[in-house]
Amino acid sequence: AQSVSQHNHHVILSEAASLELGCNYSYGGTVNLFWYVQYPGQHLQLLLKYFSGDPLVKGIKGFEAEFIKSKFSFNLRKPSVQWSDTAEYFCAGFLDDKIIFGKGTRLHILP
Amino acid sequence: NAGVMQNPRHLVRRRGQEARLRCSPMKGHSHVYWYRQLPEEGLKFMVYLQKENIIDESGMPKERFSAEFPKEGPSILRIQQVVRGDSAAYFCASSPNSVYNSPLHFGNGTRLTVT
Repeated sequence: AQSVSQHNHHVILSEAASLELGCNYSYGGTVNLFWYVQYPGQHLQLLLKYFSGDPLVKGIKGFEAEFIKSKFSFNLRKPSVQWSDTAEYFCAGFLDDKIIFGKGTRLHILP
Repeated sequence: NAGVMQNPRHLVRRRGQEARLRCSPMKGHSHVYWYRQLPEEGLKFMVYLQKENIIDESGMPKERFSAEFPKEGPSILRIQQVVRGDSAAYFCASSPNSVYNSPLHFGNGTRLTVT
């Protein structure tokens, strides 16, 4: 079955720590992949997207993600997190005719 | 340049009542998606609509739930005879064309509470 899975449900980091959030997808065809962020009380916003081309994708606010086809993965990274990065992060994939979301990872940054 | 507009922002209904959630997509967007968000479960796809057509409703419960996107006016997600388990945040998203080559733009959601 088509699916998107996120490994970590809750992550707590200190400011300036490096971040990597895991995401794997299950789909045999061509995929388009996304990372969305939801700040407390707000709607989802697009962080970055991968459609094709360079598998290392740069997004807003210093985030990046790498598409590794052999591992069916699209992990999100940031070298140095800030307190303002506290939010919930969703990996998503365009699978078939709709976007499927992972369950989300709640990231809490300690000041 | 208004984004995706959802209303109401909060909706309280008693068990057995009907809930109507509205979504006005961004200007120029003809594709609308509805998702339900429950704690610890992420976003669950419900239905994908284009103007006057339901394209994919594989995520919609078979009973009590319906959705429409008329030629004029907002998209409506309708829940009849609500039950406590329907309490959730419902998000609408739109895109100008198929999300295959354009990402979704989300509204602020409607938080439904069933008492």
